[in-house]
Amino acid sequence: GENVEQHPSTLSVQEGDSAVIKCTYSDSASNYFPWYKQELGKRPQLIIDIRSNVGEKKDQRIAVTLNKTAKHFSLHITETQPEDSAVYFCAAEEGGGADGLTFGKGTHLIIQP
Amino acid sequence: EPEVTQTPSHQVTQMGQEVILRCVPISNHLYFYWYRQILGQKVEFLVSFYNNEISEKSEIFDDQFSVERPDGSNFTLKIRSTKLEDSAMYFCARTLFTDTQYFGPGTRLTVL
Repeated sequence: GENVEQHPSTLSVQEGDSAVIKCTYSDSASNYFPWYKQELGKRPQLIIDIRSNVGEKKDQRIAVTLNKTAKHFSLHITETQPEDSAVYFCAAEEGGGADGLTFGKGTHLIIQP
Repeated sequence: EPEVTQTPSHQVTQMGQEVILRCVPISNHLYFYWYRQILGQKVEFLVSFYNNEISEKSEIFDDQFSVERPDGSNFTLKIRSTKLEDSAMYFCARTLFTDTQYFGPGTRLTVL
């Protein structure tokens, strides 16, 4: 089955700086890669996703890149703000709807004022 | 973002008891999923459900677990004989017409 590795487990950045979180996956059949943000005690909320036919996707301060050859994808957050502090999870899925998402272990992002 | 609600928000039960967690979709959905998240850990897939049948299930989803859509609306997860290690947040998720999954607010299950 799929295995998703996520790094780092904790990331502390100064407000206004950029943050990068990296994930690798094992199953070459995976073709859908979402990122979720989870605040303490809340549900995972989708912030951005990318499919294997796209190399990069951007939404305001958030961007995701995908390298299918190397089987890794990354989340980039620019101009970080205090409200970006949360746990971020990457995930991978074979696609088509039937399969569940395989999640990474999460990155605790801390924005220092 | 199409929503689902989950009930109850918090369930406390004794070890060995049966629990039923409910997911109530607001509008039509294609696939339903159950995930669990043990405190401080990652989200883990349990089962996906399509057209009133299980589509996929993980190794976690053993004989103690079952899912059904008894009235064509609510989507339920039943744990037959709860263990201490079943204590976790349980999230229902659903898709509409793509593979984008949106999570419900979750049910916190505490097994004593």
